[in-house]
Amino acid sequence: GQQLNQSPQSMFIQEGEDVSMNCTSSSIFNTWLWYKQDPGEGPVLLIALYKAGELTSNGRLTAQFGITRKDSFLNISASIPSDVGIYFCAGQRAGGGSNYKLTFGKGTLLTVNP
Amino acid sequence: GAVVSQHPSRVICKSGTSVKIECRSLDFQATTMFWYRQFPKQSLMLMATSNEGSKATYEQGVEKDKFLINHASLTLSTLTVTSAHPEDSSFYICSARGGTSGRASEQFFGPGTRLTVL
Repeated sequence: GQQLNQSPQSMFIQEGEDVSMNCTSSSIFNTWLWYKQDPGEGPVLLIALYKAGELTSNGRLTAQFGITRKDSFLNISASIPSDVGIYFCAGQRAGGGSNYKLTFGKGTLLTVNP
Repeated sequence: GAVVSQHPSRVICKSGTSVKIECRSLDFQATTMFWYRQFPKQSLMLMATSNEGSKATYEQGVEKDKFLINHASLTLSTLTVTSAHPEDSSFYICSARGGTSGRASEQFFGPGTRLTVL
């Protein structure tokens, strides 16, 4: 199935540094979401974006829905060790039924060195 | 957020046997549930969408006769891996959609089930 292009694949940073990751798609999505997955767990929603151009924050996390509706980025400021995990972007198209399904990016593995 | 549970969390079975995985929405009614498969160091790949009381919709390349999905109630969906083989070993994750707005944030994920087929 289709996947979103997410980069970078992995990041190794020092505690306190800021982090940025992004997703792009060849097709339009009406909703962009960012999830975090810890090892052996299901993904947990961090931020949901519903409008082109929307910029939303959740604590140290900030995400934006690209104007073209084909991209989104996630920033994490002042990283801490518990930020370690895999971050996934996901897109959802409009409509009901099977259009509620999500398309996921390949993930960004974040390692934070204390 | 709403709670979705999966049972079992881990299962080890012999090749050729069938395994059933349950997905429950604990504090909301889920009209739609989704089943994903995740191989190590890879993303979540949607296998099928199930709506309560109707047949599941499978993604291209997913064998519906091998991965049987039943969504008999608004709080329970089951995935049965029939005649499991080692290549079916994976992390299976369900999600459940609640609410009426259709917003993606109303889709909640379970903790996953690790299947190992020997």
